[in-house]
Amino acid sequence: DAGITQSPRHKVTETGTPVTLRCHQTENHRYMYWYRQDPGHGLRLIHYSYGVKDTDKGEVSDGYSVSRSKTEDFLLTLESATSSQTSVYFCAISGTGWDEQFFGPGTRLTVL
Amino acid sequence: TQLLEQSPQFLSIQEGENLTVYCNSSSVFSSLQWYRQEPGEGPVLLVTVVTGGEVKKLKRLTFQFGDARKDSSLHITAAQPGDTGLYLCAGYGDSNYQLIWGAGTKLIIKP
Repeated sequence: DAGITQSPRHKVTETGTPVTLRCHQTENHRYMYWYRQDPGHGLRLIHYSYGVKDTDKGEVSDGYSVSRSKTEDFLLTLESATSSQTSVYFCAISGTGWDEQFFGPGTRLTVL
Repeated sequence: TQLLEQSPQFLSIQEGENLTVYCNSSSVFSSLQWYRQEPGEGPVLLVTVVTGGEVKKLKRLTFQFGDARKDSSLHITAAQPGDTGLYLCAGYGDSNYQLIWGAGTKLIIKP
C-alpha cells in the first residue's frame, strides 16, 4: 500500500471556525490532490499540487486554500467552515500526474 | 467541459448473477481508469484501459474501452458478495493532471 496518511480521521467543528486537514506521504510523489466526496457527486477536485509551493485550483476550490512547503505534506485549510463543507475529504498522490492515483483513508468532517 | 456519466447509479443483485456497469462520455479520453471503493476507505485502482477497443480481464471482471475512446464498461461474471462496493470510472481530460470522475455505481451483491 502507498504510504499516505490523513489527519485527523474524524472532526466535528462549528460554523465559522478554521479547520486544517493534513495529508502526509512517504512515496516522494510529485503530485498531490485534495478531493471531497459527497453522495451523488463522486469525487470532486478541490486543489492539487504539482510540486513544492506549486498549487492550482480544482473544480470546487471556493472556501478552501492549500499549502505545500515540503514534498511529503499537503495541507487543506477551510478558513471559515460552513455546513456545506460537511463531507469526506480524500488526499491522493500520483507519480507523474498522468497515471494511477493512490488515495489516503479519508477525513470525515462535520460542520455544525 | 468533459464529463463521465456512469450507469446505473445503484445495482443490487444476487450472488452468481452477471452485471455490467457503463461509463460514457461525449468526449474522447486518452485512457480511462476504473477504481473500486469500499466503505470507509479511499478508491483503489482496478485497471487502466488505453487503446480503443481494448479488453482487459481481472479474474471475473472484464473491462472494455470503446473503439472511439469515449466509453468503457465493466462486466462482472458470477458476482460474489466480495464484489460489493462503489465502482468509479475516471479519465484524464484536457486539463493536465486532473482526473475527471464519474459519479460512481454502488453495487451490492446479496448472498
